Amino acid sequence: QVQLQQSGPGLVKPSQTLSLTCVISGDSVSSNSAAWNWIRQSPSRGLEWLGRTYYRSKWSDDYAVSVKGRLIINADTSKNQFSLQLNSVTPEDTAVYYCARANSGWYFDYWGQGTLVTVSS
Amino acid sequence: DIQMTQSPSSLSASVGDGVTITCRASHSISRSFNWYQQKPGKAPKLLIYSASSLQSGVPSRFSGSGSGTDFTLTINSLQPEDSATYFCLQSHSTPYTFGQGTKLEIK
Repeated sequence: QVQLQQSGPGLVKPSQTLSLTCVISGDSVSSNSAAWNWIRQSPSRGLEWLGRTYYRSKWSDDYAVSVKGRLIINADTSKNQFSLQLNSVTPEDTAVYYCARANSGWYFDYWGQGTLVTVSS
Repeated sequence: DIQMTQSPSSLSASVGDGVTITCRASHSISRSFNWYQQKPGKAPKLLIYSASSLQSGVPSRFSGSGSGTDFTLTINSLQPEDSATYFCLQSHSTPYTFGQGTKLEIK
């Protein structure tokens, strides 16, 4: 059974960096048949896919245009986890953030528990 | 980007009723389409993948159909625990996009 456990702060100041980690159990971040995603949800924007990282002989990543240039998703094979780093946050980045696994069909079959992140001074 | 238009935004039905929720994609996505159920304070739960395949452990009263641009989620014989918000997701191409959600109330 795959489990994703998220961790990270719930409050971030404007202009600072939002950092979250997702620890994987029951699968490998280096799996050749999975991709590791970050998704957020807010009342104003609904569910929004932010980006992913995945390994297919080499590491690749993709990002939503809305956060491109501010978002980095990294995989840490030694800890079997992946992380989100969103720079220069504004109150519009306030949301519940989820990590999720996409399987070979590219749909999200396992999700983390969610982290409410508030951007406020 | 592929836009997903979901309807209705909310509906109310009684225990034992059947309901249908629809989602329309702005471009053809073949069968790269999925349905999720979300309850307050919880992560979305996968119900249907690849338009019509039932995820393991999901009751058979849930079913999905469609291909191309038009998709349907049908819930038969509603139970009190089906009260939730339902979302569609296209997994055809990035950026993956979700519908706006349908809030289902069980009377």
